[in-house]
Amino acid sequence: QVQLVQSGAEVKKPGASVKVSCKASGYTFTSYYIQWVRQAPGQGLEWMGIINPSGGSTNYAQNFQGRVSMTRDTSTSTVYLELSSLRSEDTAVYYCARAPFSSESSVDYWGQGTLVTVSS
Amino acid sequence: DIQMTQSPSSLSASAGDRVTITCRASQSISSYLNWYQQKPGRAPKLLIYATSDLQGGVPSRFSGSKSGTDFTLTISSLQPEDFATYYCQQGYSTPYTFGQGTKLEIK
Repeated sequence: QVQLVQSGAEVKKPGASVKVSCKASGYTFTSYYIQWVRQAPGQGLEWMGIINPSGGSTNYAQNFQGRVSMTRDTSTSTVYLELSSLRSEDTAVYYCARAPFSSESSVDYWGQGTLVTVSS
Repeated sequence: DIQMTQSPSSLSASAGDRVTITCRASQSISSYLNWYQQKPGRAPKLLIYATSDLQGGVPSRFSGSKSGTDFTLTISSLQPEDFATYYCQQGYSTPYTFGQGTKLEIK
């Protein structure tokens, strides 16, 4: 069955960086996009960007340009999200999510989420 | 960026009620509109994609439609498991922005 398993919760200080992993299984890793979406406590969903695991191309939301990097390792079917220059407003649950090439915005499977807490 | 405005932000209803949630796009998005359901502490779940196509395994009481840049999610007869927060998302152009959510609560 399709699974996206994310790395565990992180606590970071302001100004630091965080790297969250998302390991895919149960399908052909290079045949689906991976999106990253975050949700601050008690807030709505915020789209961060998308990566094509096949070639590694990315498209980031302007809000995160310069601070975000999405990469993949096809040998382990893992996608990574790195966010730098963290501030308290980056405290959120970060989700990876799979989307088909035919409809890249429509996520059909989600990871369990990774809570990133930014606090001094 | 395309803005998605959802209404209402919260809604109280009873089991068996018919409920509609609306999402308005700030510009034309064709039919690139998805609806998600999220329960507390859980990841969202795709209900409807491309305005009106039901994701596999989603009950037929959920349906979607559009009129111009206004999109509607309808639940024909609320079941206890439907009480959750619902989000629309446009898939026309990146960033794939979400509406602010509609919290559906038990009356």
